[in-house]
Amino acid sequence: EVQLVESGGGLVQPGGSLRLSCAVSGFSLGDYDMYWVRQGIGKGLEWVSMIGYAGDTYYPGSVKGRFTISRESAKKSLYLQMNSLRAGDTAVYFCARAFGSSFDLWGQGTLVTVAS
Amino acid sequence: QSVLTQPPSVSGAPGQRVTISCTGSSSNIGAGYDVHWYQQLPGTAPKLLIYDNRKRPSGVPDRFSGSKSGTSASLAITGLQAEDEADYYCQSYDNSPYWVFGGGTRLTVL
Repeated sequence: EVQLVESGGGLVQPGGSLRLSCAVSGFSLGDYDMYWVRQGIGKGLEWVSMIGYAGDTYYPGSVKGRFTISRESAKKSLYLQMNSLRAGDTAVYFCARAFGSSFDLWGQGTLVTVAS
Repeated sequence: QSVLTQPPSVSGAPGQRVTISCTGSSSNIGAGYDVHWYQQLPGTAPKLLIYDNRKRPSGVPDRFSGSKSGTSASLAITGLQAEDEADYYCQSYDNSPYWVFGGGTRLTVL
């Protein structure tokens, strides 16, 4: 079955770090661009990182320098290392697969709460 | 605020037709980038509904259609059903910050 399953979310203090994982099944990670998209509670969607099939990475200004996207194709896993977390980073984080410039496959999401 | 602008809410009675607009600018939709639409049912992940302005993934009913003109795009839903009650998001590409979404529109079926 083709699917994405996120894990690693939880409660973290401001300034702390967290690493999210996204387990991939049913397709090869290296064949697709992959993304992380987040959604604040009761809010809209925001793209937070992208890794191309060639390994190039992109970030919006809101997380650049704090978040790092990576992948291990052999482990069929996508990661998001989040450092210097802020209250504004509190959200459900989804991993998603590219289909052209759209996202055709989404995980169920993992909740990250940044609070003291 | 979001790069792409959507109305916060729309509503319609069962069987009616509703449209949701998505307004961008010359750096995204107006630059020729495709617009995509997602449906998000309560408590679930977004689902791709329309891609490349007007194409439907397999399994999406033809009651859903998309269009694009200039710096705007629209999603139309005909024959409204109770199960269509959800949040709808448009998405496109921007020169910076690349992948952008609308703020979302809550569809209420009366």
